[in-house]
Amino acid sequence: AQKVTQAQTEISVVEKEDVTLDCVYETRDTTYYLFWYKQPPSGELVFLIRRNSFDEQNEISGRYSWNFQKSTSSFNFTITASQVVDSAVYFCALSGARDSNYQLIWGAGTKLIIKP
Amino acid sequence: EAQVTQNPRYLITVTGKKLTVTCSQNMNHEYMSWYRQDPGLGLRQIYYSMNVEVTDKGDVPEGYKVSRKEKRNFPLILESPSPNQTSLYFCASKQGKTEAFFGQGTRLTVV
Repeated sequence: AQKVTQAQTEISVVEKEDVTLDCVYETRDTTYYLFWYKQPPSGELVFLIRRNSFDEQNEISGRYSWNFQKSTSSFNFTITASQVVDSAVYFCALSGARDSNYQLIWGAGTKLIIKP
Repeated sequence: EAQVTQNPRYLITVTGKKLTVTCSQNMNHEYMSWYRQDPGLGLRQIYYSMNVEVTDKGDVPEGYKVSRKEKRNFPLILESPSPNQTSLYFCASKQGKTEAFFGQGTRLTVV
């Protein structure tokens, strides 16, 4: 069975601190895709990144970076020098390529609060 | 502009009064789905559709119906809404390995 675990329900940090959101997944597929989405207070779901299982290179996009480690089945997300606008709920998701539906399995989300 | 459009954004209704939430996408995606989001439970899939006239149950289908008569539209129907269906609903579309594109969400309150 596939599963995504985001053990951190809520994280609160002061602005300019670095913060890492954890994501651990379970799958028996050899080919799969991992995603991060952001849900700001306004409610919409914003796509951040997609990573396939054969690409373990870390990704950096501005203040955002992602660390994918197959050995520990983790796909963690780090925000450097956090800002108040980063306050949101962040979801990690998994999609298995074996399933032609490519259905998304979601973590429960981590609520990130950045205090000024 | 590629988008998924849901309507309405907000809806307050009474128990038992049938309602439909519409969803339309302009990306010619084959796959569409409905989710509900409740505090602490993340996103749970209600129904999904692989293509026109092909629909299947997700994790929480009870109390909901869907139809897929055209590729672009995937309405969610609540025949007899109950208060436990008060939630935030999202429609999504995707094609194969791509990310899912989401609508803006519909906040439904059933009193």
